Amino acid sequence: AQRVTQPEKLLSVFKGAPVELKCNYSYSGSPELFWYVQYSRQRLQLLLRHISRESIKGFTADLNKGETSFHLKKPFAQEEDSAMYYCALTLTQGGSEKLVFGKGTKLTVNP
Amino acid sequence: DAGVTQSPTHLIKTRGQHVTLRCSPISGHKSVSWYQQVLGQGPQFIFQYYEKEERGRGNFPDRFSARQFPNYSSELNVNALLLGDSALYLCASSLADRRFYGYTFGSGTRLTVV
Repeated sequence: AQRVTQPEKLLSVFKGAPVELKCNYSYSGSPELFWYVQYSRQRLQLLLRHISRESIKGFTADLNKGETSFHLKKPFAQEEDSAMYYCALTLTQGGSEKLVFGKGTKLTVNP
Repeated sequence: DAGVTQSPTHLIKTRGQHVTLRCSPISGHKSVSWYQQVLGQGPQFIFQYYEKEERGRGNFPDRFSARQFPNYSSELNVNALLLGDSALYLCASSLADRRFYGYTFGSGTRLTVV
């Protein structure tokens, strides 16, 4: 079954420290993966898409098909990075498409 | 552009009642999807509509239904509400090539069933 696993429910780091939010997926085809972020009292918003290989707000994520992972990394965390982070996989089946989300990781960056 | 707009923002209903949630996608987006987010969980897919046709349905009972209008706005209907239907209901819209642009989510409707 197609599944996205985020093993850490909570992650706490100090400002300036590196941060890595883990995401593993289970999918038999070629995955389309995203990271979404939800800041306090704000809507869910797209942070990164694997196809773009971009860096947004200092975050990067590399797709590792061998390890079926799409971990989110930032070398120096900032307090404003505190938020809920969701890894998501696009499933395309018979003309429909949907996002399968992990349960999310709450990142807290302490001063 | 106002982004994806949802109404109402909050709603309290009694068990057994019916509810209608509304969503207006970003201008030019023809695909609208609905998700349910229960506290502490990631969003769960309910429906996808594209060009006014249902393209996909998640693992939800028949009490859940939806439709998309000619202007691409959408409604989610839930009948015979249960306490377990209490959740944040999210609407998302996308361009055809969502690989590059992903989905844009609305702020959601917080439904409380008492």
